[in-house]
Amino acid sequence: GENVEQHPSTLSVQEGDSAVIKCTYSDSASNYFPWYKQELGKRPQLIIDIRSNVGEKKDQRIAVTLNKTAKHFSLHITETQPEDSAVYFCAASKNNAGNMLTFGGGTRLMVKP
Amino acid sequence: DAGVIQSPRHEVTEMGQEVTLRCKPISGHNSLFWYRQTMMRGLELLIYFNNNVPIDDSGMPEDRFSAKMPNASFSTLKIQPSEPRDSAVYFCASSNLGQIDTQYFGPGTRLTVL
Repeated sequence: GENVEQHPSTLSVQEGDSAVIKCTYSDSASNYFPWYKQELGKRPQLIIDIRSNVGEKKDQRIAVTLNKTAKHFSLHITETQPEDSAVYFCAASKNNAGNMLTFGGGTRLMVKP
Repeated sequence: DAGVIQSPRHEVTEMGQEVTLRCKPISGHNSLFWYRQTMMRGLELLIYFNNNVPIDDSGMPEDRFSAKMPNASFSTLKIQPSEPRDSAVYFCASSNLGQIDTQYFGPGTRLTVL
């Protein structure tokens, strides 16, 4: 089955700096890659996703890149703010898996003011 | 839309008691997922349903755990008997089968077994 590895497990940045979180996946048939943000005591919430027919997607300060050949995808947050502090999860899915997502282990991002 | 609804939001029970967690998926969604989240083990998929049919229950820890989905708008996760190591946050999520779509999570149930 699919295996998703996420790095780093913790990341500390200064407010205003950029943060990058990387994920690799094992199943070349995976074609959908969402990212979730989970604030303390809250539910995971989708912040951005990318499908395999594009290499990059951007939404304001957040961007995701996908390299299908290398089977890795990354989340980029620019101009970080204290409210970006949370745990971020990447995930992978494929058409015939009934929308089952395989999640990475999560990255705890801390943005220091 | 009200989103995914879970109840109760918090449950405190004693070891050996039966616990039932409830979930109402987003209207029109036909895939439903149960997850367990702990600090030690992260986010674990327990079981998921497509069109009310259980597809993969390989994540269910043991026979003490069972899940049902009697109709498209309701699912339960039952633990009987409960043990302290079952203490965790249990999330339900739903999505729209038939097209690649993300999962939308409910607010979770925080279970504490004393």
